[in-house]
Amino acid sequence: QVQLVQSGPEVRKPGASVKVSCKASGYTFNSYAISWVRQAPGQGLEYMGWISTYNGNTNYVQKFQGRVTMTTDTSTSTVYMELRSLRSDDTAFYYCGRGIMGATPIDHWGQGSLVTVSS
Amino acid sequence: EIVMTQSPATLSMSPGERATLSCRASQSISSNLAWYQQKPGQAPRLLVHGATTRATGIPARFSGSGSGTEFTLTISSLQSEDFAVYYCQQYKNWPVTFGQGTRLEIK
Repeated sequence: QVQLVQSGPEVRKPGASVKVSCKASGYTFNSYAISWVRQAPGQGLEYMGWISTYNGNTNYVQKFQGRVTMTTDTSTSTVYMELRSLRSDDTAFYYCGRGIMGATPIDHWGQGSLVTVSS
Repeated sequence: EIVMTQSPATLSMSPGERATLSCRASQSISSNLAWYQQKPGQAPRLLVHGATTRATGIPARFSGSGSGTEFTLTISSLQSEDFAVYYCQQYKNWPVTFGQGTRLEIK
């Protein structure tokens, strides 16, 4: 069965960076794009961008341009999302998700990784 | 950027009733709309894509309709497990955007 397993919770200070992983299994890894969506506590869903697991091409939402980098490691079927220059309002659950066709809609989701930014 | 507006913000209903959730796009998105369900402490779950196509394993009581700018998710007879937050998402234009969500609560 399709599974996306994300890395555990992280705590960072403002200005630091965090790298969240998303390991895929149960399907042909490089046939589906992976998107990243975040959700601040008690808030709605916010789309961040996506990466092609076939060729590594990325597309980031402008709000995150310059601060986010998504990468893929086909040898381990793992996608990474690094967010830099963290601020307190980056505190959120970060979800990876597999796109049905292209980046979205997302038919399988990781369990989420909580990133807390606090001094 | 396309703005997605969901209504109502909160819907209070009883099990067995029919629920109707609305989603409006600020410009036409054709049928490039998905609906997700999210329960507390869980990741979202895809219910409908292409505005009307149920995702794999989704019960028939969930149905989506609409095209252009007006969309509806209908739950024909509410079960206890359906009380959750529902989000619509457009994927016609970049960037992909979500609605703010409708909370479906037990009356």
